[in-house]
Amino acid sequence: DIQMTQSPSTLSASVGDRVTITCRASQSISNWLAWYQQKPGKAPKLLIYKASSLQSGVPSRFGGSRSGTEFTLTISSLQPDDSAIYYCQQYNSYPWTFGQGTKVEIK
Amino acid sequence: QVQLQESGPGLVKPSETLSLTCTVSGGSISSYYWSWIRQPPGKELEWIGYLYKSGSTNYNPSLRSRVTISVDTSKNQFSLNLSSVTAADTAIYYCARDLNGDYFFDNWGQGTLVTVSS
Repeated sequence: DIQMTQSPSTLSASVGDRVTITCRASQSISNWLAWYQQKPGKAPKLLIYKASSLQSGVPSRFGGSRSGTEFTLTISSLQPDDSAIYYCQQYNSYPWTFGQGTKVEIK
Repeated sequence: QVQLQESGPGLVKPSETLSLTCTVSGGSISSYYWSWIRQPPGKELEWIGYLYKSGSTNYNPSLRSRVTISVDTSKNQFSLNLSSVTAADTAIYYCARDLNGDYFFDNWGQGTLVTVSS
């Protein structure tokens, strides 16, 4: 199975800060990576697919990028509503796997 | 707007079979691809299995011997059966849609907590 390792596990930032979350794949997955946002008691919400494509309706402050097997989710200007856990998912090969999550807290 | 709703028992005894149904409204189940995904309390997401438009399936190898996903197009529902459950199968179970067969999930049900306990 492809292992997806996210860092950091938790981050705390202020409103307006630029926030970066990293997801590293244990082997090449090309651009086949999605990012989800999950709020307490809710289902995950798709933010980004194919590493950098923004899902319809998602604010433009969310962005994704790739460098080799390292993927980044960036929130350009953190908003109070962005407090959540963020997960990456690889869909390059079965079984599709998720990262362990990054919790974003607002200071 | 397609909506998904999971249903089924919230408590299952060890060694028994967990059975859940996902009811799709606002669209035809035959038009999309579907998955079951679970999340043990406080843990990461785990993909369980996938249902193609054709009705064929693909399962996570770690669960393959115990999992069956089936579809009932007349009811616009698909189902999950997981046999021989243990406490490790306690989780929130989500059904989710894959819009175009791209293997990521753009629409999720609210999830249902299933606890395995005697």
